[in-house]
Amino acid sequence: EPEVTQTPSHQVTQMGQEVILRCVPISNHLYFYWYRQILGQKVEFLVSFYNNEISEKSEIFDDQFSVERPDGSNFTLKIRSTKLEDSAMYFCASSEARGGLSEQFFGPGTRLTVL
Amino acid sequence: KNEVEQSPQNLTAQEGEFITINCSYSVGISALHWLQQHPGGGIVSLFMLSSGKKKHGRLIATINIQEKHSSLHITASHPRDSAVYICAAAINNDMRFGAGTRLTVKP
Repeated sequence: EPEVTQTPSHQVTQMGQEVILRCVPISNHLYFYWYRQILGQKVEFLVSFYNNEISEKSEIFDDQFSVERPDGSNFTLKIRSTKLEDSAMYFCASSEARGGLSEQFFGPGTRLTVL
Repeated sequence: KNEVEQSPQNLTAQEGEFITINCSYSVGISALHWLQQHPGGGIVSLFMLSSGKKKHGRLIATINIQEKHSSLHITASHPRDSAVYICAAAINNDMRFGAGTRLTVKP
């Protein structure tokens, strides 16, 4: 069964460093998402991406964040200068159609720890 | 005020019991998603619904659009159902999540 994959599973970085989190969505899906979950808190929407551009983003997704689909398979989330409060689990998801009309499939997550 | 509210926050049941988790939302939605988060952190989509009722095995989800309310029911609960159940409101390509309901089913 097709699945969303994410790498790495755990990333440890120093404050101020750049990190890139990688996701491979399901191959025939057109919509891609990043979410984060700070430990003990609820899941939060970061950004959705369709047709090589951002379609929605939350207040969390500020200038420190960017997303890219550099080739036909990968979908990446870059944090330019990490802060302690960026420590969280980051989930990628993909869907065939818009999030309101289609089931989303989630990756296993990348746990980011900023020291 | 949270746009998506779930109740209860925590729920402990005996194996075999009928479980109900409730979700209320205050925004206009495209659809309502029910997700299951396993103890290891992974998230699985259970249902996406925009009207009526859906059933999958022992799980049933209902939604009342007029009342902005959805429920997730688990019949004949089992310890393997122990997880966090999350309600999420889809607004176009944005999703607003509830805080989750932590379900523990004891044998």
